[in-house]
Amino acid sequence: GDSVTQMEGPVTLSEEAFLTINCTYTATGYPSLFWYVQYPGEGLQLLLKATKADDKGSNKGFEATYRKETTSFHLEKGSVQVSDSAVYFCALSDGSSNTGKLIFGQGTTLQVKP
Amino acid sequence: DTAVSQTPKYLVTQMGNDKSIKCEQNLGHDTMYWYKQDSKKFLKIMFSYNNKELIINETVPNRFSPKSPDKAHLNLHINSLELGDSAVYFCASSQPQTTNEKLFFGSGTQLSVL
Repeated sequence: GDSVTQMEGPVTLSEEAFLTINCTYTATGYPSLFWYVQYPGEGLQLLLKATKADDKGSNKGFEATYRKETTSFHLEKGSVQVSDSAVYFCALSDGSSNTGKLIFGQGTTLQVKP
Repeated sequence: DTAVSQTPKYLVTQMGNDKSIKCEQNLGHDTMYWYKQDSKKFLKIMFSYNNKELIINETVPNRFSPKSPDKAHLNLHINSLELGDSAVYFCASSQPQTTNEKLFFGSGTQLSVL
C-alpha cells in the first residue's frame, strides 16, 4: 500500500541555520503531497502542499518540491527560528479515491536553539 | 470560533472503563475523521465518515465505535479500555472535492489509561 517515510528526529539546529527534512513516498496513482506542522499541545496544521510533479509548495519561508523521479518531497527552510520548533509530518493523499484520506509519515521533531 | 473542537482535552481513566470523546466542526464539511497518534508521534487514520456514512474503517478493534448524529459531529466511543489505547486522538474534517484535500484538525484528546 501507499506509504510515507521521513528522516528520523529529533533534528536540533541553531537559529538561522538551514533546514532540510527528508521525505520519500511510495504510491500508486498520482497523489498530492503535503507537509503538516504540529506545535506543542496543538493539532496539525497544513504548512504547504503540491498536487502534481514538479510543483513547488511554499509557505512561511518553507518550501518543498514534488519530485516524481525520486519520489521525494523534502522540506527546506533557509533560516530557521526558535518559533519553528515543532513536529513536521509529510503526507500523501489517496489519489485513487475521493475519501480525503491522508497517509502520514512518522513525524520529525525539530528543535531550534537560540 | 474554533473550526474543529473536541472534548475533553485530557482524559484519565482506569482499564476496563468505557469513555467517549466528542468532536464538532463548524466548517460545513461533509467528511470527518478520527486519527490516533501514539507516543512516538506516529499518526494513523482510524475512521472516516462522509455525511454521516462510514467510508473508512482501518482495522480498528470493535471496542471503538464512532457515531455521527449529523455531518457536523463525529463522536468516538471506546469500550473496555486497555493500556494500549493510551494515545492522543485527533478529530479532523475536510471537504475533499473543494478544498483540495486539506484537513482541519482539532487540538487533540490525550487519553491515559491506568
